[in-house]
Amino acid sequence: KAGVTQTPRYLIKTRGQQVTLSCSPISGHRSVSWYQQTPGQGLQFLFEYFSETQRNKGNFPGRFSGRQFSNSRSEMNVSTLELGDSALYLCASSLQTGGTTDTQYFGPGTRLTVL
Amino acid sequence: GQNIDQPTEMTATEGAIVQINCTYQTSGFNGLFWYQQHAGEAPTFLSYNVLDGLEEKGRFSSFLSRSKGYSYLLLKELQMKDSASYLCAVRDNQGGKLIFGQGTELSVKP
Repeated sequence: KAGVTQTPRYLIKTRGQQVTLSCSPISGHRSVSWYQQTPGQGLQFLFEYFSETQRNKGNFPGRFSGRQFSNSRSEMNVSTLELGDSALYLCASSLQTGGTTDTQYFGPGTRLTVL
Repeated sequence: GQNIDQPTEMTATEGAIVQINCTYQTSGFNGLFWYQQHAGEAPTFLSYNVLDGLEEKGRFSSFLSRSKGYSYLLLKELQMKDSASYLCAVRDNQGGKLIFGQGTELSVKP
């Protein structure tokens, strides 16, 4: 079974631009969560999508948004990029059958650099 | 508030045993996860605890005490490839949100 895939793997943007990152979950997985990882803050939860609906949201400004499609693929968008948005953006998918053993499996991440 | 604490760094010798501790204070609890992350790579799942006690998986074991808000990851027969960051994460009771600690950077020396 293929793992979680993310595109692109690397991205360089300038301040003020916007960016869209894509995530394809493991086949059959219905939940997709997004995390931002930086050396100073570690891994921080951005949002979770399940059945095309945002189910959870972290403490990030409205410039960060996302969506999920009917095939469970997800995109996240960051508008008006700031230098502090430079980070590794990780996507994780899980079955979300409602059981307590649902495990999140991570993709390789997209490394975003804002100049 | 939500708080998960782990030591920042640890060093151990090849072949030895190391225990990485994690304490947590979260508004909800629906399980605790341990992930391993090598530099430049994605986190990979190691273990999961939702009930008190020890879960063993080969060279890795994880323990949970919900009353104490405490977990540890035990790595036996350390190998050089175990040098990595180990992340403790608590699943908030609101769906699939994970709250991560800062990670423990483990260095295994010959």
